Amino acid sequence: SQTIHQWPATLVQPVGSPLSLECTVEGTSNPNLYWYRQAAGRGLQLLFYSVGIGQISSEVPQNLSASRPQDRQFILSSKKLLLSDSGFYLCAWNPSTDTQYFGPGTRLTVL
Amino acid sequence: AQTVTQSQPEMSVQEAETVTLSCTYDTSENNYYLFWYKQPPSRQMILVIRQEAYKQQNATENRFSVNFQKAAKSFSLKISDSQLGDTAMYFCAFMKLFTGNQFYFGTGTSLTVIP
Repeated sequence: SQTIHQWPATLVQPVGSPLSLECTVEGTSNPNLYWYRQAAGRGLQLLFYSVGIGQISSEVPQNLSASRPQDRQFILSSKKLLLSDSGFYLCAWNPSTDTQYFGPGTRLTVL
Repeated sequence: AQTVTQSQPEMSVQEAETVTLSCTYDTSENNYYLFWYKQPPSRQMILVIRQEAYKQQNATENRFSVNFQKAAKSFSLKISDSQLGDTAMYFCAFMKLFTGNQFYFGTGTSLTVIP
């Protein structure tokens, strides 16, 4: 069966520090992968998606970037965090047909 | 651009009663999917039900059913025999086919089931 992992589960970082969040999927190959951000009390905002290794599409101009170095690995990064980057970050995968399945999420607090 | 609107930020229902959550969307696409996801306090996103736009028959999953009105671009979720475990945020989502199968989410409805 397929599973999706995210780490860390929680993270507290100072403003201006770098960020790296990791997402991996097991039990499948060539999935579509997605990064979302959920601000407090709000819906999900699609940040990036990837349909293959090295292929990244950005939905919203951000202080963030994404990379897909391996087929089942998706990384969200920032060189310098802003206060507004705080939120709950969700990774999701799509088995190239329909439906997205979500990871457990990372709660990021920027102080 | 696709937009999804959930006009009910909060709702409550008595245990064992029925509740309907509303969702409207705007798109120029003809083929797409619609979804309802549930996010309990654990914040794990859980798929509740999905609907293919080309199917006229409304989807059902046990106590959950939808009323899909394609012309009106409306996609409401009905929860029957509400249970305490149904307390959660509910998100309506639209998926555009191809070009990465991108999802667009509404802002959510917080549902509380009252014992």
